[in-house]
Amino acid sequence: DVKVTQSSRYLVKRTGEKVFLECVQDMDHENMFWYRQDPGLGLRLIYFSYDVKMKEKGDIPEGYSVSREKKERFSLILESASTNQTSMYLCATKPGTGDEVTGELFFGEGSRLTVL
Amino acid sequence: GQNIDQPTEMTATEGAIVQINCTYQTSGFNGLFWYQQHAGEAPTFLSYNVLDGLEEKGRFSSFLSRSKGYSYLLLKELQMKDSASYLCAVMDSNYQLIWGAGTKLIIKP
Repeated sequence: DVKVTQSSRYLVKRTGEKVFLECVQDMDHENMFWYRQDPGLGLRLIYFSYDVKMKEKGDIPEGYSVSREKKERFSLILESASTNQTSMYLCATKPGTGDEVTGELFFGEGSRLTVL
Repeated sequence: GQNIDQPTEMTATEGAIVQINCTYQTSGFNGLFWYQQHAGEAPTFLSYNVLDGLEEKGRFSSFLSRSKGYSYLLLKELQMKDSASYLCAVMDSNYQLIWGAGTKLIIKP
């Protein structure tokens, strides 16, 4: 079974703090994604990566950055956390290469971040 | 703009059948996904439709009509464990997923 592990299930941070959310997968998938999930809204894509050291902006990249130094690990970074970044953050992976990838996503359990 | 619509909440009775609808307007179409998400847990894949028609998987079936921009998820013989949110997502012409807000399904005994 694919396992996608997010480092922290719950975090509480203060405004202005730097926040790292880690995601590790064990199935050698090329594609990794960071989403945020808010009540009443669909999942919104923050950043994604098709390969090591490669990153692409999603729909809402402002205030976030990412790092993918190894194939199995994709990190989401909030350089200076703000209260409007309080949310559930979901990491997901998908096998395949190139743009024409239609397979299902495998999600981690999520990291619920509260910024005070 | 791109849009996915699904009802916010539905209630059904244990043992019954429920149909969750999803309508979409997207720039291009490369398939429609349904995911199940229990409260506090990760979404898990249920189905993928890219051709018109009905796909059946045990108690769950998913239907697609591309000409109408419409899909539904049909759940039969409802069980209490089916209480969850059901997420509809469409893959557009750029192979990016556009997500609906999800339908919270409440099952009553």
